[in-house]
Amino acid sequence: GAGVSQSPSNKVTEKGKDVELRCDPISGHTALYWYRQSLGQGLEFLIYFQGNSAPDKSGLPSDRFSAERTGGSVSTLTIQRTQQEDSAVYLCASSLRPPTTNEKLFFGSGTQLSVL
Amino acid sequence: GENVEQHPSTLSVQEGDSAVIKCTYSDSASNYFPWYKQELGKRPQLIIDIRSNVGEKKDQRIAVTLNKTAKHFSLHITETQPEDSAVYFCAAKRRGQGGKLIFGQGTELSVKP
Repeated sequence: GAGVSQSPSNKVTEKGKDVELRCDPISGHTALYWYRQSLGQGLEFLIYFQGNSAPDKSGLPSDRFSAERTGGSVSTLTIQRTQQEDSAVYLCASSLRPPTTNEKLFFGSGTQLSVL
Repeated sequence: GENVEQHPSTLSVQEGDSAVIKCTYSDSASNYFPWYKQELGKRPQLIIDIRSNVGEKKDQRIAVTLNKTAKHFSLHITETQPEDSAVYFCAAKRRGQGGKLIFGQGTELSVKP
């Protein structure tokens, strides 16, 4: 595709429900990141996929958060038993396989998650 | 793991003045340092980056400097314009397959006409 695609763009859910957020990276990009951006805050690292390597999950805030990447392309971030503090914009980004001279991240437009 | 600190959190300048944003990093193995700009309601976009084998890099009105010994790097914007108003994020990573990109907390820059 033309860029990183995320869906849904907005998600409103009730506390305690599970949600799934989807990211479709740029074709050929083997590195994929998930970040969380709370209102007025920075980009909090969540998880990093690189090719067929085991993902770096060191940024996931709790065991309610999980992510997978099927076939080295589409990724899904799942939040179980959502809490109000999970409300944020969830950003996905992808880049070409390192080591390359170009490690530019291309971000999606994000999913705005609101937990009521 | 890597930790990136960014200062200031907000910065207000008059149009035409210079703006400087500073970042420090903790992991001495980090060797790639990009800067991203996020305009209101939009996604972050790369504006400039520097690798550890270079001390300074310039692209028109923006420049980045790196001090590996002190583990800090800075973004310099000269002749600021209102369209430079945005949130700027620094980041650091180990170049290559094993490294993940860690961002600073962001600096909200306001350029007043």
